[in-house]
Amino acid sequence: SYVLTQPPSVSVAPGQTARITCGGNNIGSKSVHWYQQKPGQAPVLVVYDDSDRPSGIPERFSGSNSGNTATLTISRVEAGDEADYYCQVWDSSSDHPGVVFGGGTKLTVL
Amino acid sequence: EVQLVESGGGVVQSGGSLRLSCAASGFTFDDYAMHWVRQTPGKGLEWVSLISGDGVSTYYAASVKGRFTISRDNSKNSLYLQMNSLRPEDTALYYCAKEGHSRSLVWGQGTLVTVSS
Repeated sequence: SYVLTQPPSVSVAPGQTARITCGGNNIGSKSVHWYQQKPGQAPVLVVYDDSDRPSGIPERFSGSNSGNTATLTISRVEAGDEADYYCQVWDSSSDHPGVVFGGGTKLTVL
Repeated sequence: EVQLVESGGGVVQSGGSLRLSCAASGFTFDDYAMHWVRQTPGKGLEWVSLISGDGVSTYYAASVKGRFTISRDNSKNSLYLQMNSLRPEDTALYYCAKEGHSRSLVWGQGTLVTVSS
């Protein structure tokens, strides 16, 4: 089955840029989605189709996807961005097609 | 505004059954595929199942195939998950989610299922 690999944690100072990676075999050929989850809350979609933002998501959130790595970039990080972030794809290549999530990355704002 | 409200969670013994429901509003329900996703407390997300808008096509994670059944009633704007032969490892917060672009997801608030051994 398809595997997505994320770093367990990323730390960044306020005002700096955070980059969270999501690795997968030829992930550049898939559409990648990113979710933000704060404690006690449901996940919220922040980037879809590699680099598009849902309405209401700040422009500070952006995404890219190429080769074997997709990246969520958060510019001018704020304290309120501290959360867990998950990447997601649809895997149609295996015997059991389905949604696949990365293991999640905890973003800490120092 | 999309609203998804899950219900039906609770405590059940190992080997027991439970039926989750999800009431949807704010969109044309039968135009969209729907998913169930679960999250073990303090851990990551695990996709469980998907059903097409017309209810004809269904997909399951290998971990639940043969034990869980997803269904929908478009006349009631409702999604269901029938869970049989429950195991302690099925203990999780279960989210209902509406499918969006390229199978991205918009989530409800979840309902907690606890399977005791």
